[in-house]
Amino acid sequence: EPEVTQTPSHQVTQMGQEVILRCVPISNHLYFYWYRQILGQKVEFLVSFYNNEISEKSEIFDDQFSVERPDGSNFTLKIRSTKLEDSAMYFCASMRVGQPQHFGDGTRLSIL
Amino acid sequence: QKEVEQDPGPLSVPEGAIVSLNCTYSNSAFQYFMWYRQYSRKGPELLMYTYSSGNKEDGRFTAQVDKSSKYISLFIRDSQPSDSATYLCAMSVYYGNNRLAFGKGNQVVVIP
Repeated sequence: EPEVTQTPSHQVTQMGQEVILRCVPISNHLYFYWYRQILGQKVEFLVSFYNNEISEKSEIFDDQFSVERPDGSNFTLKIRSTKLEDSAMYFCASMRVGQPQHFGDGTRLSIL
Repeated sequence: QKEVEQDPGPLSVPEGAIVSLNCTYSNSAFQYFMWYRQYSRKGPELLMYTYSSGNKEDGRFTAQVDKSSKYISLFIRDSQPSDSATYLCAMSVYYGNNRLAFGKGNQVVVIP
């Protein structure tokens, strides 16, 4: 069964550094999402992306965050200048019209 | 009032028991309701997906939605040790490109 693939599985970064999290959505899906889950807390929506533009973003998704679909297969989340509070699991999800969202296994981001 | 509430208390049951999980929500615009299962260090995996009020059954799993009470439930019959995981409820307003709002998750342990 096709799945959403995320790399790396664990990223350790110094505070203030830029980080890029990568996702390969399921190939015939057209809607893409990023969520995060801080340890012990809910999964929280960050951003949705369709037709090469952001459809919706949460208040968490400020100017430090950006998303990009640089080619036909990858979907990336960039955090420009990481903070300690950005430490979390980051999940990518993708969806086909009329179907629920399917999630990857996440990238654990640790900010030192 | 939080948008989606799910009592996160861990739940331990003996093998073969019925597991009962539930969520309440405050946003009456939610129409699409999902249950995801999450194993340790993995992403959310879709279990059940229902629209509006009513019941849906899939094998040992039954999902119920009561929109009048803003209450959804998941029942697992004949629970197995392999059902040990965290169960997340999630919901959205629209059928298409729309963010999911998650509950905090219930950790379930099925004891052999």
